[in-house]
Amino acid sequence: SAVISQKPSRDICQRGTSLTIQCQVDSQVTMMFWYRQQPGQSLTLIATANQGSEATYESGFVIDKFPISRPNLTFSTLTVSNMSPEDSSIYLCSVASTTALDGYTFGSGTRLTVV
Amino acid sequence: AQKVTQAQTEISVVEKEDVTLDCVYETRDTTYYLFWYKQPPSGELVFLIRRNSFDEQNEISGRYSWNFQKSTSSFNFTITASQVVDSAVYFCALSVGSGYSTLTFGKGTMLLVSP
Repeated sequence: SAVISQKPSRDICQRGTSLTIQCQVDSQVTMMFWYRQQPGQSLTLIATANQGSEATYESGFVIDKFPISRPNLTFSTLTVSNMSPEDSSIYLCSVASTTALDGYTFGSGTRLTVV
Repeated sequence: AQKVTQAQTEISVVEKEDVTLDCVYETRDTTYYLFWYKQPPSGELVFLIRRNSFDEQNEISGRYSWNFQKSTSSFNFTITASQVVDSAVYFCALSVGSGYSTLTFGKGTMLLVSP
């Protein structure tokens, strides 16, 4: 299955600043997904990112707050902009992989704390 | 729209007890996949099983077993002879269609296994 390198693994940021999270995949994948997991909560899909097109955002998430780039088939970034303490969460990227037993592979997550 | 319900928020057992985690799903699609993931305190998602909607065979893998019943839209997960290392949050998830669409997660069940 695909292997994802997600960086940073954790960060503590000041409110009002932005953080960019990177996901690098060791193989070409069509679909990449970004999820947010607020403390003690389940995973919520932020957006789906396909290479060569703009990301598709779920209800409640907007591009100005969570801009996503997908410059090629192995890389994507998610930026959390103008952060507030409410943005403190784990952010995970995921890819759909036809070779993975489960069909999906997840990055190890970025644990973000906004102070 | 899809929905996954995990009614048990938290379960506490003593080591060696058997425990069943419940999952009920809703979808109008006839083709779909069901998943179970484990999230230990470290935060990464660990894939446990994927089951497609046309395969109602129960599955056993070591101490883990899964009971898929389309008649009740349930996909329950049983751990036999639980161990302390089983302590984690367990998520049930659903994706619809034959391709690789987005995952809809349940809210998760936190399992605490004490010695």
